[in-house]
Amino acid sequence: QQQVKQSPQSLIVQKGGISIINCAYENTAFDYFPWYQQFPGKGPALLIAIRPDVSEKKEGRFTISFNKSAKQFSLHIMDSQPGDSATYFCASYYGGATNKLIFGTGTLLAVQP
Amino acid sequence: NAGVTQTPKFQVLKTGQSMTLQCAQDMNHNSMYWYRQDPGMGLRLIYYSASEGTTDKGEVPNGYNVSRLNKREFSLRLESAAPSQTSVYFCASSDTGQRNYEQYFGPGTRLTVT
Repeated sequence: QQQVKQSPQSLIVQKGGISIINCAYENTAFDYFPWYQQFPGKGPALLIAIRPDVSEKKEGRFTISFNKSAKQFSLHIMDSQPGDSATYFCASYYGGATNKLIFGTGTLLAVQP
Repeated sequence: NAGVTQTPKFQVLKTGQSMTLQCAQDMNHNSMYWYRQDPGMGLRLIYYSASEGTTDKGEVPNGYNVSRLNKREFSLRLESAAPSQTSVYFCASSDTGQRNYEQYFGPGTRLTVT
């Protein structure tokens, strides 16, 4: 089973700080790397995604950095806010007609006011 | 447009009991999925269905069965519940005609097996 390894398991950041979550994948055939955000009691929802033809994608305060040679990608949350407190999952799509994703183990982010 | 809906929201079962978790989507998506979420384990795929009438095993299928009743509905059945199946279960759907690969998740079912 192909894996996506995510770290850290939990993260505490002060309001206004930068949150960084890292993921590493194994299969070079993966060609789509999303991040999902999950609030307590809710289902995950797509936050931002990147394809391997670019090294960075930014949407507001959220940025994905992608390093194809190292097979790593990371989520950066700039100016972190208490409302960003949630669990974040990285994932990889590994092809086929089913849109199946492999998810990382999740990072619980707490932004302290 | 409700998106993905799941019933029930909460359920407590005794070991050996059976139950079916229901999932429906109103986005006309082809693919549907069942995941379980456990602390420290992330989201693990139980079964998926690429289209109406087809189902395939995911990473952790043992102890579960599924039915893709029609394009909208995808149910997950536990024939003989075990404490190891205590988890939060999520259904998701995706439009395989679009190359954005996004999956849309339901609100989840929290299942406890005693």
